[in-house]
Amino acid sequence: ETGVTQSPTHLIKTRGQQVTLRCSSQSGHNTVSWYQQALGQGPQFIFQYYREEENGRGNFPPRFSGLQFPNYSSELNVNALELDDSALYLCASSRGLAIDTGELFFGEGSRLTVL
Amino acid sequence: KNEVEQSPQNLTAQEGEFITINCSYSVGISALHWLQQHPGGGIVSLFMLSSGKKKHGRLIATINIQEKHSSLHITASHPRDSAVYICAVKKSSGDKLTFGTGTRLAVRP
Repeated sequence: ETGVTQSPTHLIKTRGQQVTLRCSSQSGHNTVSWYQQALGQGPQFIFQYYREEENGRGNFPPRFSGLQFPNYSSELNVNALELDDSALYLCASSRGLAIDTGELFFGEGSRLTVL
Repeated sequence: KNEVEQSPQNLTAQEGEFITINCSYSVGISALHWLQQHPGGGIVSLFMLSSGKKKHGRLIATINIQEKHSSLHITASHPRDSAVYICAVKKSSGDKLTFGTGTRLAVRP
């Protein structure tokens, strides 16, 4: 039990649609990062939010966007879905920019299928 | 070439065997994480290392910064250890984690 919950756990969309994935972190965890994990691959960093502002971004196009809210929840939005967006989307939270200290907590992920 | 490489990609062991999973990286790092991912997808953080060695129960993780190499050892392996083990590094520049592709471990009773 990591204290990080993601919703929905599974969803199916069609190409061109938009999707919003949600992540609820532990109280006090003001850093959240999002990852995309294709089948059989390691997670790829999408972006990170710290105190409600984006402070790092991986090699993903602008149609991947996010929000972080004061209540330690966050969203990943993907517009104009493409087939290759089918993947497991993971969020991870930590207290402060703490990925140097090992205090990193992952959710169970949202599995997105784009048809 | 990936900046983080793991070996082996797949590993099958009998219960009780000693297991070693390796991680090599090609960039300067400030920290290395070992993570465990079960079939449902959720990831659990096992260790964070910046030098030396850490032990937690039957798990031991070591890192050699000069050789850019880390190992995860499992002693007295058990079927419940079956999972994907992922190595991830935090580069010296930047805050993001870069992940290996994982090692899929199956421990047979």
